[in-house]
Amino acid sequence: EDKVVQSPLSLVVHEGDTVTLNCSYEVTNFRSLLWYKQEKKAPTFLFMLTSSGIEKKSGRLSSILDKKELFSILNITATQTGDSAVYLCAFDTGTASKLTFGTGTRLQVTL
Amino acid sequence: DAGITQSPRHKVTETGTPVTLRCHQTENHRYMYWYRQDPGHGLRLIHYSYGVKDTDKGEVSDGYSVSRSKTEDFLLTLESATSSQTSVYFCAINQGRNREAFFGQGTRLTVV
Repeated sequence: EDKVVQSPLSLVVHEGDTVTLNCSYEVTNFRSLLWYKQEKKAPTFLFMLTSSGIEKKSGRLSSILDKKELFSILNITATQTGDSAVYLCAFDTGTASKLTFGTGTRLQVTL
Repeated sequence: DAGITQSPRHKVTETGTPVTLRCHQTENHRYMYWYRQDPGHGLRLIHYSYGVKDTDKGEVSDGYSVSRSKTEDFLLTLESATSSQTSVYFCAINQGRNREAFFGQGTRLTVV
């Protein structure tokens, strides 16, 4: 059975801190890993990673995938209160692009 | 972004009643998905569709059925709602440069 574990479950930091969110996985077939941000409503797409070692960046957010050690990290630098959200990682195992999600990391950024 | 609309956005229903949730998309996407989100479980796939009248089960399909009679609409039906089906339901399509999943705004369903 495919398994996705995110850590920590929740995190409180001060504005300006850097955070690292972890996603480890055991999946039988791997096509890509996706990161989503979820505030009060629907998850919104952040990154898709398909190859090991390639970093994806968007502003203060970056992510990298390690296919040998079976994990991914999402880094957020210079955090802002607007970064407060649940961050979800998910795996596309290639069959009809169905996604298997982790339970998420709840990040709270305080002033 | 593709237009994807879920209805209703909120619903309270009684145990044992049938409920149908609707997902409507405007850009002719082939694949559509229904997920549910519960505390401690993340999002889990209920059913998905890969074309008109072509559907298949996901991880948590028991108690649910789906139909897709036209490309733009994907319906999720709870034949006889139970309290364990209280959840937030998200519809999704694949779009964008990476064909990533794009989610509707969700339907909050409460079964009392």
